[in-house]
Amino acid sequence: GENVEQHPSTLSVQEGDSAVIKCTYSDSASNYFPWYKQELGKRPQLIIDIRSNVGEKKDQRIAVTLNKTAKHFSLHITETQPEDSAVYFCAAVYNQGGKLIFGQGTELSVKP
Amino acid sequence: NAGVMQNPRHLVRRRGQEARLRCSPMKGHSHVYWYRQLPEEGLKFMVYLQKENIIDESGMPKERFSAEFPKEGPSILRIQQVVRGDSAAYFCASSPRLMQGGNTEAFFGQGTRLTVV
Repeated sequence: GENVEQHPSTLSVQEGDSAVIKCTYSDSASNYFPWYKQELGKRPQLIIDIRSNVGEKKDQRIAVTLNKTAKHFSLHITETQPEDSAVYFCAAVYNQGGKLIFGQGTELSVKP
Repeated sequence: NAGVMQNPRHLVRRRGQEARLRCSPMKGHSHVYWYRQLPEEGLKFMVYLQKENIIDESGMPKERFSAEFPKEGPSILRIQQVVRGDSAAYFCASSPRLMQGGNTEAFFGQGTRLTVV
């Protein structure tokens, strides 16, 4: 079925530490995995994505890794800052119709 | 490019009234997706539309909810006879092409926060 599991649901780190959020998906045909950041009361914003033909992608302090065999993908944020505090959602595109299915979200809190 | 535009931003309806939520996709985007977000919860897929066609409505309740994306004008999500449980933020997203194949991104609007009193 169409399912994306995301862990942890909440994550608290000290400023400067790293944060890792993990997701698993169920459809082996999925081939696009975006990550969205949602601040309180605002729209989800695309921060990074990865396609199934690569295993890792970096953009400054943010990186995403993909393990297609295990159907896992992860978001890594290094040198966290208080402005990184938000809810982060992973998602996978399901080829049946091409819609995005989201994980449950991770509330990240970065303490100064 | 103004981005994905949703209106109204806030909508208050009494139980039993109708709610109409509008979504204008980004310029050049012909694919629209509607999601519902309950307070402190995730984004639940409702419906996926392409111009004049409903591609996937598997996430939409069978009764009271309908969606359209006409040839001209915005996509409309319509909720008839609203109940308190319909109170949520409704987001739409758009993409220029099929997301199948991983060849494009989806961008979200600011959402419509529906409150049923």
